[in-house]
Amino acid sequence: KNQVEQSPQSLIILEGKNCTLQCNYTVSPFSNLRWYKQDTGRGPVSLTIMTFSENTKSNGRYTATLDADTKQSSLHITASQLSDSASYICVVSSINTNAGKSTFGDGTTLTVKP
Amino acid sequence: NAGVMQNPRHLVRRRGQEARLRCSPMKGHSHVYWYRQLPEEGLKFMVYLQKENIIDESGMPKERFSAEFPKEGPSILRIQQVVRGDSAAYFCASSPGLGEKLFFGSGTQLSVL
Repeated sequence: KNQVEQSPQSLIILEGKNCTLQCNYTVSPFSNLRWYKQDTGRGPVSLTIMTFSENTKSNGRYTATLDADTKQSSLHITASQLSDSASYICVVSSINTNAGKSTFGDGTTLTVKP
Repeated sequence: NAGVMQNPRHLVRRRGQEARLRCSPMKGHSHVYWYRQLPEEGLKFMVYLQKENIIDESGMPKERFSAEFPKEGPSILRIQQVVRGDSAAYFCASSPGLGEKLFFGSGTQLSVL
C-alpha cells in the first residue's frame, strides 16, 4: 500500500531559526515528490517538485532533498519568518497514477514565534 | 489569470439537507480533483474529473456523494442528506494536464449542525 509519513507532526521554532521537516514514503513505482505549503484556511500551494534523478532543489529559503534509494525527502527552511507558519505537506506520485490521486502525507504544522 | 475559485467559502447545513459545492478551475485547465480534509488530518482524494467525464471516483463514498464537471460551468460536488460526519473542508484542484502541477482553491468549509 502506498504511504507517506511525515515527521514531526508539529514543530515550534523561533523566528530566524532553521528547521528541517521529514517525509518517508513507500510509493512505488516512484514518479515525483512535491512539497506543498498550506496556510490556515487556504488551499495548498506547491513549493518544489523532485523527480527521481534530482537530489536537491531550492526555492528561496526552502530547500528540498530527495534520496530515492532510502525513499526519504526533507524540506529545510532557512532563516524562518513568521509567515512560514503553516502546514507543510509531502505528496508523492506514482507513475501508475495521475497527479491528482497522489499519496498525501498528513503534514507537519510549523509555528514560527517572534 | 484567476486561480481556482471555490464557493461558497463556508456552508452550514442541517442534517438531512443537501450541500452543493462549486469549483471553477483555472482558465485552460481541463482536469479537476476534489479532496476532503478533516480537522488535524491530511487531504484525502475523492474524485478526478475531466469535462463531462468522471475519470476516477475511487475515493468517493458510494452513497450520498456525487460529482460532475459539465461542458459549461463549474464542477459541482453534491452531498445529499448530509450527516455530522460530512463536516470538513473540501478542496478542489485543477491542472492543465495529466501528471502536471495541481493548483488548489481556498476550499469550502462545510459545517453540518
